[in-house]
Amino acid sequence: DARVTQTPRHKVTEMGQEVTMRCQPILGHNTVFWYRQTMMQGLELLAYFRNRAPLDDSGMPKDRFSAEMPDATLATLKIQPSEPRDSAVYFCASGLVEAQLGTGELFFGEGSRLTVL
Amino acid sequence: GQQLNQSPQSMFIQEGEDVSMNCTSSSIFNTWLWYKQDPGEGPVLLIALYKAGELTSNGRLTAQFGITRKDSFLNISASIPSDVGIYFCAGQRRNTPLVFGKGTRLSVIA
Repeated sequence: DARVTQTPRHKVTEMGQEVTMRCQPILGHNTVFWYRQTMMQGLELLAYFRNRAPLDDSGMPKDRFSAEMPDATLATLKIQPSEPRDSAVYFCASGLVEAQLGTGELFFGEGSRLTVL
Repeated sequence: GQQLNQSPQSMFIQEGEDVSMNCTSSSIFNTWLWYKQDPGEGPVLLIALYKAGELTSNGRLTAQFGITRKDSFLNISASIPSDVGIYFCAGQRRNTPLVFGKGTRLSVIA
């Protein structure tokens, strides 16, 4: 049963600490997304990759957030230093975007719930 | 940026009732997707629509891709308690990421 796997599921940390969230996309998917979900803002796109190349990270605060895809089986989202306002659920999602159609169904992981004290 | 207006924001219905929710946009989309999110879980894809006018069913769920390509609706027939959750619409244009609505929170009263 193919699924997107995220770790950790829950993280509580203190302000100023570094946080790294990891995602294993579904094998064969060529596009990986990072979303942040809060009650106020809903699902916000932070960054996404196509064939491991970053396509758009304009949704991320550049001074503290970074997203990478070191290989096809791993995507990471790092926050350094973390702040209380970063508290949210962070979702990774992957999909297979067909070149001709330019769109594709997106499959989400279970999320990483981050609390920054 | 692109905005999707999803309504209603929340619904309280009796078990057995039908439910209807919709999403509108000022922009044209090539794809409409509907997701459901249970508490503590990630959104799960329910239905994907790829053509204007397309009507697709998945069990008790039916979704349509509006003819103008600027809207979509989702219907749930004969609701049951496990239908409780947040339903999200999402639109996508070619080679751009999905844009999500704010969600419709559904509560089912047994």
